[in-house]
Amino acid sequence: KQEVTQIPAALSVPEGENLVLNCSFTDSAIYNLQWFRQDPGKGLTSLLLIQSSQREQTSGRLNASLDKSSGRSTLYIAASQPGDSATYLCAVGPDDKIIFGKGTRLHILP
Amino acid sequence: NAGVTQTPKFRVLKTGQSMTLLCAQDMNHEYMYWYRQDPGMGLRLIHYSVGEGTTAKGEVPDGYNVSRLKKQNFLLGLESAAPSQTSVYFCASSYLVGSGLGRLSYNEQFFGPGTRLTVL
Repeated sequence: KQEVTQIPAALSVPEGENLVLNCSFTDSAIYNLQWFRQDPGKGLTSLLLIQSSQREQTSGRLNASLDKSSGRSTLYIAASQPGDSATYLCAVGPDDKIIFGKGTRLHILP
Repeated sequence: NAGVTQTPKFRVLKTGQSMTLLCAQDMNHEYMYWYRQDPGMGLRLIHYSVGEGTTAKGEVPDGYNVSRLKKQNFLLGLESAAPSQTSVYFCASSYLVGSGLGRLSYNEQFFGPGTRLTVL
């Protein structure tokens, strides 16, 4: 059974730092991997989607990489800002078997 | 566009009562999903639908039923609520993307704001 792990569970960093969030999965036969952001009491917002044939995706200050062979993905956030404070979740597909990680709660210190 | 909306936002039920959660999307998406989110468990897929009139079970379907009578709406029903169903429920929708491999191709999902349900 696919398992998705996100470490650390929580992270606090000073504003302006670059940081990396980690996501690992046990079954490399994934279709895609997606990174989400969730603000307290809110729904999820899709940040980046990496197809299984891709190695990385970029959007603004965010860059996500995928290494299927090692079962890992990283989300790189450049020049962090207080507004980046949220919980970040990764999820692997296919859709009918989608598995989410439990998330990393990120706090950016002003 | 309103995106994905959920009704109600909050609800308190007594054990054994029934209720229906409504999800609506105005993006003409084929796929719709119901998830529950519990502390320490993450999000888990309850049921999903690949189109009007079709539904399928996800990871944790027991105790729930769903219907997709219209493309834009996806209903989640609890026939006899139990305290274990206390959770935050999220609906999501996505575009239809064929993988060519007979499986659903994961495409960007758009989430609703959630319904917080408490069963006493």
